[in-house]
Amino acid sequence: SQTIHQWPATLVQPVGSPLSLECTVEGTSNPNLYWYRQAAGRGLQLLFYSVGIGQISSEVPQNLSASRPQDRQFILSSKKLLLSDSGFYLCAWTQGAYGYTFGSGTRLTVV
Amino acid sequence: SQELEQSPQSLIVQEGKNLTINCTSSKTLYGLYWYKQKYGEGLIFLMMLQKGGEEKSHEKITAKLDEKKQQSSLHITASQPSHAGIYLCGARDSGGYQKVTFGTGTKLQVIP
Repeated sequence: SQTIHQWPATLVQPVGSPLSLECTVEGTSNPNLYWYRQAAGRGLQLLFYSVGIGQISSEVPQNLSASRPQDRQFILSSKKLLLSDSGFYLCAWTQGAYGYTFGSGTRLTVV
Repeated sequence: SQELEQSPQSLIVQEGKNLTINCTSSKTLYGLYWYKQKYGEGLIFLMMLQKGGEEKSHEKITAKLDEKKQQSSLHITASQPSHAGIYLCGARDSGGYQKVTFGTGTKLQVIP
C-alpha cells in the first residue's frame, strides 16, 4: 500500500536560518507531488508541485524553493527564513484525478 | 484563479443533531473533494464528486454536487464528537497537473 512520510513534525527556527523539509512516498512510482502551506486563519495555499524528477513548478513567488532529486522524494527549502514563513506545511501526492493523499504535516515556527 | 467559499466558517452543534456545510466555487467545477482535518494533523480524504447531481455517502456523511450552481454540500446526520474537526472542500482545476484549490475550511465542534 502507498504511504507518505513527512518530517520533522515540528520545527522552531530563528529568522535568517536555512530550512529543509522532506517528504517521501512509498508504494508507488511517478506520483505528482505537492507542497502546501496552511497559515494561521488562512486556507491551504499551493506552493509547489512536481510531475517528475527535476520538474518543479512554483505557484507563489516567495522565499522558498523545492526540489525533487528522486522519483518519490520532494524537498522544501529556504536559504534564509522570514517570520512570514511560519505555518503548517503539508506534502501530498496523487496519481490521477482521485484526490490527494496528505502527509501528517510539519509545523514551522520562525522566531 | 479559482476561489472556494465555505459556509459557515464555524459551527457548534449538539451531539445527535444534523448539519450541513456548503462550498461554492467561483468557476466551473471539474472535480470536488471533501477532506477532514484534525488540528495540527494532515488532511483525511472523505469523498470525491465529479458529475453534476452526484451524491456519495460514507457512514453518516453525505456529499452532493450541484454543477449548475457550482456548489457542493456536505451533510452529517446524527453528529458525534468524532465528527469534530475542520472540513475543507477542494476543487481540481482543468489542467493536467491535478492541482487542487482549497476553501478556507469549516470548523465543526460537537458538544456531547
